[in-house]
Amino acid sequence: TQLLEQSPQFLSIQEGENLTVYCNSSSVFSSLQWYRQEPGEGPVLLVTVVTGGEVKKLKRLTFQFGDARKDSSLHITAAQPGDTGLYLCAGEDTGGGNKLTFGTGTQLKVEL
Amino acid sequence: KAGVTQTPRYLIKTRGQQVTLSCSPISGHRSVSWYQQTPGQGLQFLFEYFSETQRNKGNFPGRFSGRQFSNSRSEMNVSTLELGDSALYLCASSLGSASGNTIYFGEGSWLTVV
Repeated sequence: TQLLEQSPQFLSIQEGENLTVYCNSSSVFSSLQWYRQEPGEGPVLLVTVVTGGEVKKLKRLTFQFGDARKDSSLHITAAQPGDTGLYLCAGEDTGGGNKLTFGTGTQLKVEL
Repeated sequence: KAGVTQTPRYLIKTRGQQVTLSCSPISGHRSVSWYQQTPGQGLQFLFEYFSETQRNKGNFPGRFSGRQFSNSRSEMNVSTLELGDSALYLCASSLGSASGNTIYFGEGSWLTVV
């Protein structure tokens, strides 16, 4: 069974602070995706990383895929209240078929 | 273009009953997958359909079933409902099933079993 562990589980910070969320597994994934989910809604895709060592930037968000394609990180600089939400990493099974294994989630709250 | 549409959004059922949830994927998408989200277990994969065929299945009991129609719309059914089936059921669609396809989620159907 593939498992994805995210840390930290909860994070409460002040506006303007930086933060990093980690997503770790002992399994190899063909790709890794990061989602943000707000209460009462479905997850919204932020980014997909495919190549080991890949780094992608989305405005203030930086995503990195580990060299061995087993882990990933999400770094947010100068966090804003609008970044508040549940952040989920999800690994795509190497067999394809859109089967995602989701991480345990990181609940982020950014306060003024 | 319209996103993934799920109906109903909210429903309450009694233990022992059965429920059917519906999902309309994004136009042109042929792969539909279903997930269950609970506070305790997080998001877990139920099954995936592509061209009316179930291609992947998660570790859920046989009470959970699904199907896909020729227009790619999908339904999932849960029979003999248990209290533990209370959850947000999410449908997701993508163009195909090749690795790296972008997967889009609907807003989900909130099921409460009493």
